[in-house]
Amino acid sequence: DSGVTQTPKHLITATGQRVTLRCSPRSGDLSVYWYQQSLDQGLQFLIHYYNGEERAKGNILERFSAQQFPDLHSELNLSSLELGDSALYFCASSVVGNNEQFFGPGTRLTVL
Amino acid sequence: ILNVEQSPQSLHVQEGDSTNFTCSFPSSNFYALHWYRWETAKSPEALFVMTLNGDEKKKGRISATLNTKEGYSYLYIKGSQPEDSATYLCAPLDRGFKTIFGAGTRLFVKA
Repeated sequence: DSGVTQTPKHLITATGQRVTLRCSPRSGDLSVYWYQQSLDQGLQFLIHYYNGEERAKGNILERFSAQQFPDLHSELNLSSLELGDSALYFCASSVVGNNEQFFGPGTRLTVL
Repeated sequence: ILNVEQSPQSLHVQEGDSTNFTCSFPSSNFYALHWYRWETAKSPEALFVMTLNGDEKKKGRISATLNTKEGYSYLYIKGSQPEDSATYLCAPLDRGFKTIFGAGTRLFVKA
């Protein structure tokens, strides 16, 4: 158990819908990262937050947005969902930006 | 960081064999390199974070080296065990804190 929690574990929804994935970092970690793993693809970096501020952006679609709240938990919002958004979404946390990252168990999103 | 390459793509070894994998990355704008171990149906687990050219890190039977000038890192496993079977990912981080994961090297260790 890494200490990073993600909810929900599984999510099934329809195209065009909007969902919110939630991540609680390890106690004391200020950085939160979001990654996407689509079928037969590697891990894709989406976005990094540090202490509430966006730090770096990867290949995150405009339909996706994220934020980190004062209590340091983070949410990833996915809207106008498409079939291709079906993937495993991981959240990770670290103390600061270049320290080792601890991954949560992931949220599996299925868009039908 | 534009492109990260890991080789080989997969590797089958016998228990007790020592093995190594390579991660190549663009050396410009380098900030740090992470190695992860990812077992099937689990989450990636951090092995090493390396930042300095010539860095060498060790954790049990696993060690890694870093050459930031030429843009490569090696991961070594000494005396492979079946429980080492996993995908090993490298992920360089640039100065803008963006990271790109390699496709990984999938290791199968046969007892």
